[in-house]
Formats: sequence, C-alpha cells, structure tokens
Amino acid sequence: EDKVVQSPLSLVVHEGDTVTLNCSYEVTNFRSLLWYKQEKKAPTFLFMLTSSGIEKKSGRLSSILDKKELFSILNITATQTGDSAVYLCAVDRGAGKSTFGDGTTLTVKP
Amino acid sequence: DSGVTQTPKHLITATGQRVTLRCSPRSGDLSVYWYQQSLDQGLQFLIQYYNGEERAKGNILERFSAQQFPDLHSELNLSSLELGDSALYFCASSVGGGADYTGELFFGEGSRLTVL
Repeated sequence: EDKVVQSPLSLVVHEGDTVTLNCSYEVTNFRSLLWYKQEKKAPTFLFMLTSSGIEKKSGRLSSILDKKELFSILNITATQTGDSAVYLCAVDRGAGKSTFGDGTTLTVKP
Repeated sequence: DSGVTQTPKHLITATGQRVTLRCSPRSGDLSVYWYQQSLDQGLQFLIQYYNGEERAKGNILERFSAQQFPDLHSELNLSSLELGDSALYFCASSVGGGADYTGELFFGEGSRLTVL
C-alpha cells in the first residue's frame, strides 16, 4: 500500500528559528513529490521535486528530494508567524493521483 | 484566490440523504480532481476527470459518483450519506492531466459536509 509519512506531526517554534520538516514515502510509480501549505482553507502549492539532490528555493523556504532513501525535507529559515500552517507532502503517482501525508502542523510564536 | 470555485461552502444534512457538490476549475484547466479531507484520514484522492472523461480513480466509495461537464465544471454526488462521510471535500484543477501534467494542483476552498 502506498504510504507517505510526515514528521514531526506538530512543531512549535519562535520567530526567527529554522525548522526542518520531513517526508518519507513508499509508493509505486513515483512521478514527483509535492509540498503544499494549508492555512485555514485550501492547500497552496509550494514545490514540486522530481530529481534527487536538486534544491528548490523560494524565499526562506527550500526543499530537496532523495530518491534513493525515499524522503524529502522542507526547510524554513527565519520563521515568521505567517508561516504557521499545516505543511502537506504528497507523492504524485501519475496523472494527479496523489497520495498525501497527514501533514506537519507548524506554529510560530512571536 | 486559486481561481477554483466550490459550492456550497457548508452543507448540513441527515444520514441517508444525497447531496451534490459543485466545482468550477480555473480558466483553461482541463483536469478536475476531488479530494476528501477528514480529521482522521488526511487528504484522500477520490477521482480525477480530464476534459470530460474519467482519468484516475482513488478511494472513492460506490455511493459516490462524479462527472465533468462540457463546460469543464464538475459535480461530486454523495448518496446514502453516513455519519463518517462528514468531511471537507476539496476540488482541485490543473492545466494538464496526462503526460502534460505538471504536478501543480490549484485547490478550491472546499465544501464542508456535516452529516447528522
């Protein structure tokens, strides 16, 4: 059975801290790994990763994929209260058939 | 705003009833996906349509069905509702849906279904 496991389940940090969120997976027909940020409502797309070892960056967020060890990490540096959200990792198994992890709830305190 | 519109935003109904959730994808997107998000199961892929045709099926119950119309909007029909069907139902869209799929999904704000 396809599985995506995120850790930690929740995390509380203070503004300015750096956090690392983990995502490991066991799926058939891996196409890509995706990170989403879910605040109160709809998940919003952050990154899509298809190749091992190539870091994707967007501002203070970065992510990397290791296809040999079957995991990805999402780093957030200099966290802000606006980074508080649920971060979802998903593996696309082809044509949008994505398996999502349960998410990591990040709380950033002032 | 992702450009994906879902209605209704909230729905309360009784067990045994039937409801229809509606989704309008972003302009130009051919693919529509339905996901169910419940407290104990996270986001679960239900079904995908591409340009009017069913493309992929996930953990969708037989009591549920969906379709995509010529104008590309989609409806998810849930029947013989049970308490356990209470969840947030998301629709997402993407430009492609096959070999041209980029992986980026645009999610609507969801329809929250409560079954009493």
